[in-house]
Amino acid sequence: EAGVAQSPRYKIIEKRQSVAFWCNPISGHATLYWYQQILGQGPKLLIQFQNNGVVDDSQLPKDRFSAERLKGVDSTLKIQPAKLEDSAVYLCASSPGLAGGNEQFFGPGTRLTVL
Amino acid sequence: SQQGEEDPQALSIQEGENATMNCSYKTSINNLQWYRQNSGRGLVHLILIRSNEREKHSGRLRVTLDTSKKSSSLLITASRAADTASYFCATDPAGNMLTFGGGTRLMVKP
Repeated sequence: EAGVAQSPRYKIIEKRQSVAFWCNPISGHATLYWYQQILGQGPKLLIQFQNNGVVDDSQLPKDRFSAERLKGVDSTLKIQPAKLEDSAVYLCASSPGLAGGNEQFFGPGTRLTVL
Repeated sequence: SQQGEEDPQALSIQEGENATMNCSYKTSINNLQWYRQNSGRGLVHLILIRSNEREKHSGRLRVTLDTSKKSSSLLITASRAADTASYFCATDPAGNMLTFGGGTRLMVKP
């Protein structure tokens, strides 16, 4: 079974530039998550989708971050404009159902460096 | 602040020894999960324990949950060098989203 795919794996940009990350979840998984993991910390949930609807985006900095999940499958996360503190690994995960009672399957992540 | 906090932050042991990591959380939960993260395999689910369970086993892993103390522990028996990784507990205080702790960095020396 194919896992969660993410691209790119690495990205280096300058502050104030824009960047986009792509995620393809495991086939059939209704729930998709984007996490931000700063070096030395645990993952922090940014946004959670159930099919193509947003379940929770309370920790998404909406002035600069946006995410969409068109057709309830692939998802993109965008940062515009980027700040130095956005340097982190961005993880995408999927699960068959909602988070609490379900194992989440994580992709390899995109390591973003903002200079 | 994070819902779950792991203790210790770092742990170094010899191969063959047991490793115990603890997790404390603040609010009531439905489930608690443990994940492992290393550079080779990324973040991987280890075990899920429900709030009405007290202990669960999976291979060399043993997880306990004490809801009265709002704490959980992860025991890895007969550790191997391949167990070197960061270990995170994750709770679902709101029922449908996971909140991860800061992790315990485990080093198993051969």
